[in-house]
Amino acid sequence: NAGVTQTPKFRVLKTGQSMTLLCAQDMNHEYMYWYRQDPGMGLRLIHYSVGEGTTAKGEVPDGYNVSRLKKQNFLLGLESAAPSQTSVYFCASSPSPRRRYYYEQYFGPGTRLTVT
Amino acid sequence: DQQVKQNSPSLSVQEGRISILNCDYTNSMFDYFLWYKKYPAEGPTFLISISSIKDKNEDGRFTVFLNKSAKHLSLHIVPSQPGDSAVYFCAASSSNTGNQFYFGTGTSLTVIP
Repeated sequence: NAGVTQTPKFRVLKTGQSMTLLCAQDMNHEYMYWYRQDPGMGLRLIHYSVGEGTTAKGEVPDGYNVSRLKKQNFLLGLESAAPSQTSVYFCASSPSPRRRYYYEQYFGPGTRLTVT
Repeated sequence: DQQVKQNSPSLSVQEGRISILNCDYTNSMFDYFLWYKKYPAEGPTFLISISSIKDKNEDGRFTVFLNKSAKHLSLHIVPSQPGDSAVYFCAASSSNTGNQFYFGTGTSLTVIP
């Protein structure tokens, strides 16, 4: 099992450009999440999904959109990148509440994004 | 406003000694707490958790203590090993909104051989 994978690993954007970050998991998890990590801020939840076709806002959703068209994929989009979105982005997945390890999240390796 | 706080950005400990990492939270609705470990250029990995119905959970060298009245939890690592050198995050969640996890800012642990 590859677990949670993220594409790309690094990216540099200019202000105003758009891009999509791809997250894929092969553990058949219901829940998926997107976080950003900034110095001195810890990890903050951007958006999450409790199942295919569903998404919800997290703590810091502004400037981002997400889609979950397939259970194994969760996409994070930046329509018009801003320097404030320079960060490391982590995707995570977890089993559904019906299962034993509901609260354990599995993280991908991260995407380092720089917006100039 | 930070609901989960780790006030010590860094900690250095001698190999073989005890490492104690602390975490405070403000939301009394939090009822599940986790610790994650993160190495550079990798994603966080789950370490240990505790439910609010317990005050202690132990897994090998790792023990988490929860003091609900003080809204405080701590992670004890005994004995500390050089491979434990990493950033440790605590996270909290409420069963009412179980999908959302609030993370602390992390504590960087260095275990000196």
